[in-house]
Parts: sequence; structure tokens; C-alpha cells
Amino acid sequence: SQQGEEDPQALSIQEGENATMNCSYKTSINNLQWYRQNSGRGLVHLILIRSNEREKHSGRLRVTLDTSKKSSSLLITASRAADTASYFCATDADSSYKLIFGSGTRLLVRP
Amino acid sequence: ETGVTQSPTHLIKTRGQQVTLRCSSQSGHNTVSWYQQALGQGPQFIFQYYREEENGRGNFPPRFSGLQFPNYSSELNVNALELDDSALYLCASSLRQGQETQYFGPGTRLLVL
Repeated sequence: SQQGEEDPQALSIQEGENATMNCSYKTSINNLQWYRQNSGRGLVHLILIRSNEREKHSGRLRVTLDTSKKSSSLLITASRAADTASYFCATDADSSYKLIFGSGTRLLVRP
Repeated sequence: ETGVTQSPTHLIKTRGQQVTLRCSSQSGHNTVSWYQQALGQGPQFIFQYYREEENGRGNFPPRFSGLQFPNYSSELNVNALELDDSALYLCASSLRQGQETQYFGPGTRLLVL
């Protein structure tokens, strides 16, 4: 079963705009990660935020984590057409050895 | 590119057949995990191998089995294929057991007819 749920399921924006995706999860976690997937291919790790962190930045990415609400958000600033992909949050949940993924947000950035 | 490779890239099988998928982990990585991703869904954890031993298993039946070799490459075997086994199968490696970040291969797309 999926641990997390991303919201929205799909997002369409114009190039240059910001994109915000949200993830909710059900159980306590050690960390939460965001991955990107292009066209049903392999996943690429974007960023990891630990349960004792509230915000993290990496280039144009900003991730927040609210453990009291069991939610996280991924912000992509100044989006580009090349950012078009599916974005997944993943948690370690009940163990350190497996990732539990949400259902993903499909982002379309229009040129 | 993550350095994780998978073969084959695509595969078509019929119900009841058996399939073997292969994965070469990134150099220096001793842990391999396998995931199944149905169309439009997030990946679901099948199992993980650490130093040739199964290190954890998701909610998949015993007809899903695996191996890890001394060079840390891995195989996923699925027996008695069912139509619902049609999916993208992803292999991911990590530097060590318990390392949070996993590096994914491009996947094998399996179609069961």
C-alpha cells in the first residue's frame, strides 16, 4: 500500500512559474525524500530531508517538512520545460531498508 | 546517469511463464532493492538484498524471488506470471545497508499477455 499521497495528481504551468507539490504520509518517519521520473524511466533522487529538519534547499528546489501534520512540500522555482516529469515523495516509514512511495504528481511545464 | 543498469529494457511474456530480470548495481554499492511500478502508480517495494542475503520483503507472493551475486549484481525472478504482473520493474542500489538514498536503474518494462 502507498504510504504517501501527492497533491495535486497533475499540474500544468507556464515556463518561468513556480510549481508546488505536496505530500502527506501516515506514519512516523526518519526522513522523507523526493524523486523525479521522466517518461516512465528510472527515478532520480532530488533531495532528502530528515525528520528533525523543517526546510532544505537544493538549487531551484525547496522542500519543507511538517512532522506534526505528516506532510511535505516540494517547490520548484522558475520552472523550465525540462522539469516536465513525475515527482514522487518517499518515506522510510517502518524500517530503514525500504522506501515507500506516494502516487506521484505529474508536472507539465509549457514552453 | 546513476551507473545502475538493467536488462532487458522491454519484455513480453504470456501468462504462466517465468521471467528473469537483471540488474548491475553502481560500483561500490552492496545493497540492491527491487520495486514494481504499475502504470500511473508509485513504485512498490518488492525486496532488498544485502551481501547476497534477502534483507527485507514487501507484500509480494513467494513466486517473486531474487538473488544477489558476489559482485553485488542481482536478479529478480517471477514464476507463474499473471496479467497483473505487467509493470515497470526498477532496481535500485545504495552504498550500504540502511543508506537512505537509492540510485535507480532505467527499469525493465514487462508486459504479460
